[in-house]
Amino acid sequence: EAQVTQNPRYLITVTGKKLTVTCSQNMNHEYMSWYRQDPGLGLRQIYYSMNVEVTDKGDVPEGYKVSRKEKRNFPLILESPSPNQTSLYFCASSPSGANVLTFGAGSRLTVL
Amino acid sequence: ILNVEQSPQSLHVQEGDSTNFTCSFPSSNFYALHWYRWETAKSPEALFVMTLNGDEKKKGRISATLNTKEGYSYLYIKGSQPEDSATYLCALNSGYALNFGKGTSLLVTP
Repeated sequence: EAQVTQNPRYLITVTGKKLTVTCSQNMNHEYMSWYRQDPGLGLRQIYYSMNVEVTDKGDVPEGYKVSRKEKRNFPLILESPSPNQTSLYFCASSPSGANVLTFGAGSRLTVL
Repeated sequence: ILNVEQSPQSLHVQEGDSTNFTCSFPSSNFYALHWYRWETAKSPEALFVMTLNGDEKKKGRISATLNTKEGYSYLYIKGSQPEDSATYLCALNSGYALNFGKGTSLLVTP
């Protein structure tokens, strides 16, 4: 089944404890992206990647890192999480930057 | 950040009513316009991608039109059903980044 898989789906952590949210797609898509969803603010893009080893900042990249060492994976790294990073995170992919996105199921992160 | 506006913010209609929403965007940065449907506790799912001025797309009772010169797109739902209740998102694709509007939340009651 073609899909985007995120893990973990739910996580409660504490301020400053590094964490990684993994994202993997099995559709050989070149474009991958991370979004966060907050009440009243809609979906905001954190980082995106047009292809392997090519990443770029979205609208809200502060406090996040990403890497794209292989086509299928695009992990989101929070080096030192803070409470304002408590949010619902979505990973998404598409064949190219121009195509519609296929979203993962979402990862709900709480930073205490 | 490209400003994508959606209106209304929320809408409550009766089963059988037809309805429409608006997505406005800066026409100078246009590459493509996406529509997604987002049900509560699920992930957004793609409805349409539209690229040409005057484009019209249809999927069942849902259709969309696009005006790139004036920077807007309309989404129409004909004969709304309770299962149409969801948030409808539009997103402006400027060729690399995708900027989402805040969505229109639709509630259809029997």
